[in-house]
Amino acid sequence: GAGVSQSPSNKVTEKGKDVELRCDPISGHTALYWYRQSLGQGLEFLIYFQGNSAPDKSGLPSDRFSAERTGGSVSTLTIQRTQQEDSAVYLCASSLQTKYEQYFGPGTRLTVT
Amino acid sequence: SQQGEEDPQALSIQEGENATMNCSYKTSINNLQWYRQNSGRGLVHLILIRSNEREKHSGRLRVTLDTSKKSSSLLITASRAADTASYFCATDGGSEKLVFGKGTKLTVNP
Repeated sequence: GAGVSQSPSNKVTEKGKDVELRCDPISGHTALYWYRQSLGQGLEFLIYFQGNSAPDKSGLPSDRFSAERTGGSVSTLTIQRTQQEDSAVYLCASSLQTKYEQYFGPGTRLTVT
Repeated sequence: SQQGEEDPQALSIQEGENATMNCSYKTSINNLQWYRQNSGRGLVHLILIRSNEREKHSGRLRVTLDTSKKSSSLLITASRAADTASYFCATDGGSEKLVFGKGTKLTVNP
């Protein structure tokens, strides 16, 4: 079946612009996660959604970052007024439930110039 | 701070040799997972070991878990060039989300 998909695969934007990153999880997966990975680094947790519960936003680095998940499926990560330090690969993952194995999308490489 | 820390940061071996990577963590866990990442993009789940398990096998992979030492190891036997990748451990730290280490970069030379 289809895996986790993300779009766009690459995004170049100017400093100060807003960007939206999209994630389509595996159908039926109730948990959805966003991570950020800078070059040569590990994964930095940003936010996760579990079913209809309030999302855990504890990893969002600033109030410029927000995310929503509509209808328990597709999720959008929005970064407002982008800064150069936002440049990274943004990874989305989904799982049947939290604490289960996670299935990752290919990521969106964001470059802020 | 990082929950899981992999060691070594980088490992270079010859094809056919075994590769061992270690992971240490700080807080109690429900499970520990190992993932592989090729070319800095999406991660692939390799194996999950629960806190009440001590060893688990999957093909050429063997994972051990020592909760008393808060450590885990991933052994890849008879390595192949295709095993070249970064390997990450991830722990739940008793919470609902996974925390990943910085990874071990494995290079298998033909």
